[in-house]
Amino acid sequence: KAGVTQTPRYLIKTRGQQVTLSCSPISGHRSVSWYQQTPGQGLQFLFEYFSETQRNKGNFPGRFSGRQFSNSRSEMNVSTLELGDSALYLCASSLAGTGLPGELFFGEGSRLTVL
Amino acid sequence: QKEVEQDPGPLSVPEGAIVSLNCTYSNSAFQYFMWYRQYSRKGPELLMYTYSSGNKEDGRFTAQVDKSSKYISLFIRDSQPSDSATYLCAMSGGSGGSNYKLTFGKGTLLTVNP
Repeated sequence: KAGVTQTPRYLIKTRGQQVTLSCSPISGHRSVSWYQQTPGQGLQFLFEYFSETQRNKGNFPGRFSGRQFSNSRSEMNVSTLELGDSALYLCASSLAGTGLPGELFFGEGSRLTVL
Repeated sequence: QKEVEQDPGPLSVPEGAIVSLNCTYSNSAFQYFMWYRQYSRKGPELLMYTYSSGNKEDGRFTAQVDKSSKYISLFIRDSQPSDSATYLCAMSGGSGGSNYKLTFGKGTLLTVNP
């Protein structure tokens, strides 16, 4: 069974640009979550989607947005990039509803560097 | 005060040692308690899962949750060099979909020396 796939794995952007990250969940998983990981703040919750609806949202500015498609694939977008957005962005999928709450399966992440 | 506090270490132990990792939390709504392990340049993977208070054992790993003290622990017996990784505690809970919103500790970097 294929795991969670994130693309791109690495990317470099400059301040003010925008970026779109993609996530393909494990087949059959309907919930997709996004986390930002930095050395200073650790893993922080961005948002969670279930059946194309945002179900939970973290404390990030509106520059961070996401969506989920009917096939459960998800994208997140960061607009007007700032230096502080440099981080590893992790996507995680879960069964949601039939699996254990909190049992997340993570991808390897997209490492974003903002110059 | 952060919702979840975890000593970042780093922690360095000899092979075969017993390792104790801990987290404290402030949100009494948390009901689900997890330990994730993250190897360098990889995403976290679920290691242990506990619902509410109590102990859970899986091979060399034991997870303990004390909700009255808002304190969770992970014990690793007979530690191996392959256990070298960052260990992250995580919690969730509350009504409805917030079960799927995890709050993580910052992680403890563990090195097991041969």
